[in-house]
Amino acid sequence: NAGVTQTPKFQVLKTGQSMTLQCAQDMNHEYMSWYRQDPGMGLRLIHYSVGAGITDQGEVPNGYNVSRSTTEDFPLRLLSAAPSQTSVYFCASSSDRASTDTQYFGPGTRLTVL
Amino acid sequence: AQSVTQPDIHITVSEGASLELRCNYSYGATPYLFWYVQSPGQGLQLLLKYFSGDTLVQGIKGFEAEFKRSQSSFNLRKPSVHWSDAAEYFCAVGSYSGTYKYIFGTGTRLKVLA
Repeated sequence: NAGVTQTPKFQVLKTGQSMTLQCAQDMNHEYMSWYRQDPGMGLRLIHYSVGAGITDQGEVPNGYNVSRSTTEDFPLRLLSAAPSQTSVYFCASSSDRASTDTQYFGPGTRLTVL
Repeated sequence: AQSVTQPDIHITVSEGASLELRCNYSYGATPYLFWYVQSPGQGLQLLLKYFSGDTLVQGIKGFEAEFKRSQSSFNLRKPSVHWSDAAEYFCAVGSYSGTYKYIFGTGTRLKVLA
């Protein structure tokens, strides 16, 4: 099993550009989440999904969109990038309710917005 | 409101010395508690978790943690630190009461001196 994979590993955008961060898992997990990690702030939940076709907002959803058309994939879209979105982004999945189960994390995407 | 506090931003210990990383939480009911480790440039990996039962929990890599309800704490310990333990450690609290919540602390960065 590859576990949770994320692409790209690094990305530089200009303000106003759009892009999609990809996340895929091969563990047949129902629950998937996106976090951003900023220095001194730990990980903050952006969006999460409890299954294909079902998504919900986390703590810091503004500026980000998600969709979940398959169990395996959970892409994160930045429609109009802003410098405040410079961060490291992690995707995670879990087999049960993510609030009570182990989360498996991808290696992260380091995004810089100029 | 639910919260997690890791009061130590940085900790430095000598190789072979004992280690204790502090975590305090605020939550009305018995929480689901987790410790994750993040090596440089990597995603997070679960060290151990507590849901119920024995308040002393054993994890991977020789780590253990003790849940103390009276102190609202879940401190991580290791009797003898190895140089490879240098990393950032995150405490997390999970809960589900209609909405999904998984709150991470801000992390403690561990440095190990040879």
